[in-house]
Amino acid sequence: EVQLVESGGGLVQPGGSLRLSCAASGFTFSSYSMNWVRQAPGKGLEWVSYISSSSSLIYYADSVKGRFTISRDSAKNSLSLQMNSLRDEDTAVYYCARGITGGTLLNYWGQGTLVTVSS
Amino acid sequence: QLVLTQSPSASASLGASVKLTCTLSSGHSNYVIAWHQQQPEKGPRYLMKLNSDGSHSKGDGIPDRFSGSSSGAERYLTISSLQSEDEADYYCQTWGTGMMVFGGGTKLTVL
Repeated sequence: EVQLVESGGGLVQPGGSLRLSCAASGFTFSSYSMNWVRQAPGKGLEWVSYISSSSSLIYYADSVKGRFTISRDSAKNSLSLQMNSLRDEDTAVYYCARGITGGTLLNYWGQGTLVTVSS
Repeated sequence: QLVLTQSPSASASLGASVKLTCTLSSGHSNYVIAWHQQQPEKGPRYLMKLNSDGSHSKGDGIPDRFSGSSSGAERYLTISSLQSEDEADYYCQTWGTGMMVFGGGTKLTVL
């Protein structure tokens, strides 16, 4: 069974940093692209970042470019998101999501971790 | 610019059928999309991949009541024999050049 479990969320002040992690199991982690998607309170889904299976391709939404860094560790079956210079508008539930076989659509989601940016 | 457009809300009666629409922006009518369901207070759940010719492949455990179809730039999700647990937000999703795009979501109310 595919499982994605996020951790690392919490309360942080504007300008601060936070590192999210996603523990993957139930599939060959190194064979799939991974993404971070977020959802602000009461809002829709917003894509944040993509990393290919080999880490050779990385993309970011314009809203986080230069502030967030995605990475993966296939030895640990783990996906990470380093978030710096956090803003109020980064407040959201952050989901880890797996790409479909050989593609970029998403077909598995984690349960999410809440990040609150507030003074 | 790649945009997915969804109606903000839809409603249908228990036991009836409903057809939700996701419209691809001009010049992108051949794009493949995915449909996702998000029940209240839960994370999203993948429903299916939907091709431009209407062929689709569903995720694990998705009931036969859920089906997809396509016409031009429109991608449809049809839910038949509506049940109370189908009350949820439904999102379409695709991939452009170096970016993922989500529709704004449709909130489905089961009456």
